[in-house]
Amino acid sequence: NAGVMQNPRHLVRRRGQEARLRCSPMKGHSHVYWYRQLPEEGLKFMVYLQKENIIDESGMPKERFSAEFPKEGPSILRIQQVVRGDSAAYFCASSRRDRGTYEQYFGPGTRLTVT
Amino acid sequence: GIQVEQSPPDLILQEGANSTLRCNFSDSVNNLQWFHQNPWGQLINLFYIPSGTKQNGRLSATTVATERYSLLYISSSQTTDSGVYFCAALPNYGQNFVFGPGTRLSVLP
Repeated sequence: NAGVMQNPRHLVRRRGQEARLRCSPMKGHSHVYWYRQLPEEGLKFMVYLQKENIIDESGMPKERFSAEFPKEGPSILRIQQVVRGDSAAYFCASSRRDRGTYEQYFGPGTRLTVT
Repeated sequence: GIQVEQSPPDLILQEGANSTLRCNFSDSVNNLQWFHQNPWGQLINLFYIPSGTKQNGRLSATTVATERYSLLYISSSQTTDSGVYFCAALPNYGQNFVFGPGTRLSVLP
């Protein structure tokens, strides 16, 4: 049973370019969460999605950031016009949310560097 | 919203020593998880423990939801235990886990 997959693992973008980060949840999981981790800091929640729905985006910056989880295919976190401050590790987690089970499993992360 | 605190922030141990890490949360929670982030950045699930006690090898965890804390015990520590330990709490009213700031553990040979 494959775990949560993220790609790319490393991404380098110049200021002003777009970054697209992908996350495929574990088999049987229909809930996806994105977190950002700055160097030497903890994980900050960004957005929670279910298939075709954004459930909670309270942690996501209002500008330049967007997320989707289409009916088919991976979840995508998109950052437009990247700036140096966007350099961070972006982690995706997935879970089921039935029968009272909410346990999250994390992917390996995408390390974004903005030059 | 809920506040999640962890203590101590940093911990240095000699190999073979035992330790207790604490996670306090400010509101009622449905669920709680402990993770280990290893030096390569991977986040590894340790325990999913909304209440009670669980054990897995040298590690065990206890959550007392009514008193709003959880403890992670590491016995006979090894250098591979080094990294950052995070707890994450899902509040009763909330949709998402809120992470604590972590405890950075260094186990010296």
